[in-house]
Amino acid sequence: KNQVEQSPQSLIILEGKNCTLQCNYTVSPFSNLRWYKQDTGRGPVSLTIMTFSENTKSNGRYTATLDADTKQSSLHITASQLSDSASYICVFAGGSWGKLQFGAGTQVVVTP
Amino acid sequence: GAGVSQSPRYKVAKRGQDVALRCDPISGHVSLFWYQQALGQGPEFLTYFQNEAQLDKSGLPSDRFFAERPEGSVSTLKIQRTQQEDSAVYLCASSTTATNEKLFFGSGTQLSVL
Repeated sequence: KNQVEQSPQSLIILEGKNCTLQCNYTVSPFSNLRWYKQDTGRGPVSLTIMTFSENTKSNGRYTATLDADTKQSSLHITASQLSDSASYICVFAGGSWGKLQFGAGTQVVVTP
Repeated sequence: GAGVSQSPRYKVAKRGQDVALRCDPISGHVSLFWYQQALGQGPEFLTYFQNEAQLDKSGLPSDRFFAERPEGSVSTLKIQRTQQEDSAVYLCASSTTATNEKLFFGSGTQLSVL
């Protein structure tokens, strides 16, 4: 069973609106949690990286949160732009060298 | 460019053929990873190098998969006797540190086995 579950699987939002993506996990322990953006046909690009002790991290219009009690993370996108259309992947790093465990991603489509 | 470069970008192979996928990491990057990404899924770990040493190959799905990084820079992922289930995007990533917080991905090689 995948230890990283993302929801929704996909969503469509209007340009300028906000949205929140969810990530539920059972990975334990882990050294950091990351959110990546993957454009079609490209490799993932890091948006945020948070340690276990942090509960929020922002990068421009992207804000990630982490709730260790409920084992949930979220990625909030503010004032979406057409260029935000991509897959957003929740990733956990653990072990001695930071082995990554990826969720399946949420496919976001921003429409005009 | 200064990014991670992978070649070929696309590869079509007949079932049973051997293929070799190349990864040129960012110059000076110590760590190098290979991932397999099926359509609509997140990447799955295959193997990890620190310089020329292959520290973890636990993700390689079978003995048909082999990876090397002989001089600690360029890496090759070889798949022997390809099967249809090998069809996927193969991503390479590199990092300047052993703890891999800053990981840079290539655009991948899309392998289709017919």
